[in-house]
Amino acid sequence: EAGVAQSPRYKIIEKRQSVAFWCNPISGHATLYWYQQILGQGPKLLIQFQNNGVVDDSQLPKDRFSAERLKGVDSTLKIQPAKLEDSAVYLCASSLGTGGLNEQFFGPGTRLTVL
Amino acid sequence: AQSVTQLGSHVSVSEGALVLLRCNYSSSVPPYLFWYVQYPNQGLQLLLKYTTGATLVKGINGFEAEFKKSETSFHLTKPSAHMSDAAEYFCAVSDATGGFKTIFGAGTRLFVKA
Repeated sequence: EAGVAQSPRYKIIEKRQSVAFWCNPISGHATLYWYQQILGQGPKLLIQFQNNGVVDDSQLPKDRFSAERLKGVDSTLKIQPAKLEDSAVYLCASSLGTGGLNEQFFGPGTRLTVL
Repeated sequence: AQSVTQLGSHVSVSEGALVLLRCNYSSSVPPYLFWYVQYPNQGLQLLLKYTTGATLVKGINGFEAEFKKSETSFHLTKPSAHMSDAAEYFCAVSDATGGFKTIFGAGTRLFVKA
């Protein structure tokens, strides 16, 4: 079974530029998550989708971050414009459903460096 | 609100020694508790989870954790460390009051010395 795919794996941009990350979850997984993992910290949930609807985006900085999952499968996360503090690893995860009992499967992440 | 505290950002053990990674949580209702492992340049992988029932939970790679409600703890142990256990370990909590959103601790990096 293929895992969660993410691209690119690494990205370096200058502040005020825009960047987009792509995630393809495990086939059949209805729930998709985007996490931000800053160096030295645990992952922080940015947004959670159930199929193509948003379940939780309370910690997404909506003035600069946006995410979509138009067909309920793959997803993109965009930052525009980027700030220095956005340097982090962006992790995508998926699960069969919502709720605490559903195991989340994580992709390898995209490491973003903002100069 | 839920929170997780992992005591010690770095832990170093010798190969063959006991591994003990500490985790304390805060939750106003019965929690779900998790341990994840992250190897370099990889995503997180679930080691084990506690939902209900038996408080001693066994996971993959010989790890286990015990849920102690009175101590609000969920420490991770392994009797004998292997070099391959060197990684970062994250404790996490989820409960109904938070909509089952998973809250992660800051992580503990485990070093294993030969």
